[in-house]
Amino acid sequence: KAGVTQTPRYLIKTRGQQVTLSCSPISGHRSVSWYQQTPGQGLQFLFEYFSETQRNKGNFPGRFSGRQFSNSRSEMNVSTLELGDSALYLCASSLGAGEEAFFGQGTRLTVV
Amino acid sequence: GESVGLHLPTLSVQEGDNSIINCAYSNSASDYFIWYKQESGKGPQFIIDIRSNMDKRQGQRVTVLLNKTVKHLSLQIAATQPGDSAVYFCAEKQANSGGGADGLTFGKGTHLIIQP
Repeated sequence: KAGVTQTPRYLIKTRGQQVTLSCSPISGHRSVSWYQQTPGQGLQFLFEYFSETQRNKGNFPGRFSGRQFSNSRSEMNVSTLELGDSALYLCASSLGAGEEAFFGQGTRLTVV
Repeated sequence: GESVGLHLPTLSVQEGDNSIINCAYSNSASDYFIWYKQESGKGPQFIIDIRSNMDKRQGQRVTVLLNKTVKHLSLQIAATQPGDSAVYFCAEKQANSGGGADGLTFGKGTHLIIQP
């Protein structure tokens, strides 16, 4: 079966712009989590959605937001982009709590 | 704040030898630990997990050891192969939070290099 799909794979944006990233979980998976990966900070948890509800949130500013649709697909949005937002954004899906999670290949965001 | 860390950023081993990757955690409330492997250009891949009510868990060529007394986690890879070359991350979750990928705290990662 298809894995977690993230689009786009690469993105270049200008400081001050906003960006929307998309994640399609594995079919049947209802939990979607987002992570930011940078060389300096490593992998950091952004938020998690389950059945269209945000259940858990990391320590990121309000410029980072997300949502989940009824088909479990999820989007995350970053507004007023800063240079420091340049990172690999990873999405992971699982059936739910207590289940193994599978990561997508990520979206590489570069802010210039 | 509390976080999960790794002892070495890089580990170089000979092909065929056993590899041991270490991780220290500081959150005593953590009860679920996972090892991930990340190859270049890919997302993290689940290797093996362990809950705090266990000391050891074995998978195919991999073993995870958990020492709650000193808050130490290790991943042992037997007969290391070229395909094992990757960055390995340990991750932890706090008690009663279940499994899944939400709310994981990741270590910085150890880059495992396989020498021919």
